[in-house]
Amino acid sequence: SAVISQKPSRDICQRGTSLTIQCQVDSQVTMMFWYRQQPGQSLTLIATANQGSEATYESGFVIDKFPISRPNLTFSTLTVSNMSPEDSSIYLCSVEQAPNTEAFFGQGTRLTVV
Amino acid sequence: GNSVTQMEGPVTLSEEAFLTINCTYTATGYPSLFWYVQYPGEGLQLLLKATKADDKGSNKGFEATYRKETTSFHLEKGSVQVSDSAVYFCALSDGSGYSTLTFGKGTMLLVSP
Repeated sequence: SAVISQKPSRDICQRGTSLTIQCQVDSQVTMMFWYRQQPGQSLTLIATANQGSEATYESGFVIDKFPISRPNLTFSTLTVSNMSPEDSSIYLCSVEQAPNTEAFFGQGTRLTVV
Repeated sequence: GNSVTQMEGPVTLSEEAFLTINCTYTATGYPSLFWYVQYPGEGLQLLLKATKADDKGSNKGFEATYRKETTSFHLEKGSVQVSDSAVYFCALSDGSGYSTLTFGKGTMLLVSP
């Protein structure tokens, strides 16, 4: 199994500012994933982060808005840039330790933009 | 593309009642199917999974059967407890390598004593 620590657990931010969310895993993992859960909606994949290469973004998400770092096999950050109220969501980090195995999730970051 | 549809909540039940949460999917190929649970204030946890047609996943009294003919993976429990109150997510992956998950919207279950 994998234990994921995600910080902060929640934040209230002013529009136009940026927030960086951290995801720390207790073991080395190849693939890390960032999801967004908007109010009343399902989880939507933002991007896949593989250590040593640029993140791969899903349709509708761009690097300028959601820059991701993956400096090593146990850590990743997601930044939500130039925030607007529409960015108010829960952001979740997820990992898979090996192909076709269980995905583990952090507890999420509840972001409110005012 | 892939999609998952699950019944809207909240589902409100009394303790010891029977639970069904419906889930249907659309996918190409042979997806793996999952139920995740999110207890208040916690992250998502895998509840059960099935990787091929007619497989039954089970855990903590919950079970779901992978029905390819009806493209369904309904979650059931014979007798719910107050501690089962949570949000339940149905999800699928395409089963090839590191697979990103496609989620349903989630169904909140509220169990009263």
